[in-house]
Amino acid sequence: QKEVEQNSGPLSVPEGAIASLNCTYSDRVSQSFFWYRQYSGKSPELIMSIYSNGDKEDGRFTAQLNKASQYVSLLIRDSQPSDSATYLCAVDRGWENQGGKLIFGQGTELSVKP
Amino acid sequence: AAGVIQSPRHLIKEKRETATLKCYPIPRHDTVYWYQQGPGQDPQFLISFYEKMQSDKGSIPDRFSAQQFSDYHSELNMSSLELGDSALYFCASSSRQGQETQYFGPGTRLLVL
Repeated sequence: QKEVEQNSGPLSVPEGAIASLNCTYSDRVSQSFFWYRQYSGKSPELIMSIYSNGDKEDGRFTAQLNKASQYVSLLIRDSQPSDSATYLCAVDRGWENQGGKLIFGQGTELSVKP
Repeated sequence: AAGVIQSPRHLIKEKRETATLKCYPIPRHDTVYWYQQGPGQDPQFLISFYEKMQSDKGSIPDRFSAQQFSDYHSELNMSSLELGDSALYFCASSSRQGQETQYFGPGTRLLVL
């Protein structure tokens, strides 16, 4: 079992709809969580970071964290064809409040149809 | 804003050759991370450096070595290359003053023939 799990998809949504991406992690001591977007052959691009339980909103993106359930999600509102990419959930495996290596899920491929 | 710089962007090598990948972190970032991403795979952590000292080590083969220099740039040295080393190699940098968020460079695509 991978330390960070995502549905690989592909997840297909129509343009303008809400895309919901989910991620679970196994290490309870993890404190920092990230969503990266990656276009094919390109580098991961940071979309959202979240450190506390609850919701964090940034434009069309909302990240949700539930540490008790070891669950992180990303909602994309008003999805656009340009949002079509692979979304990587990442957990920081640092220690003593110092950042460390990122452990990635296998990524969820999102396709937004015009 | 300045980003992470990696060079070269593309590299073709023969089996058993050596390769050196370079990474220049975002200015004032003190930590550098190296990741390897094979085709259809998620990025896998290789090694990291903080203030020129190795801070963590992941699934990095013994054939690979890396270091961080006084100007904070880092180099990943890969020897006795194998076909399976063909992958995208990403460098990321972060700052302990900036909640450690890692920003990725454009990557080096290595092809071993």
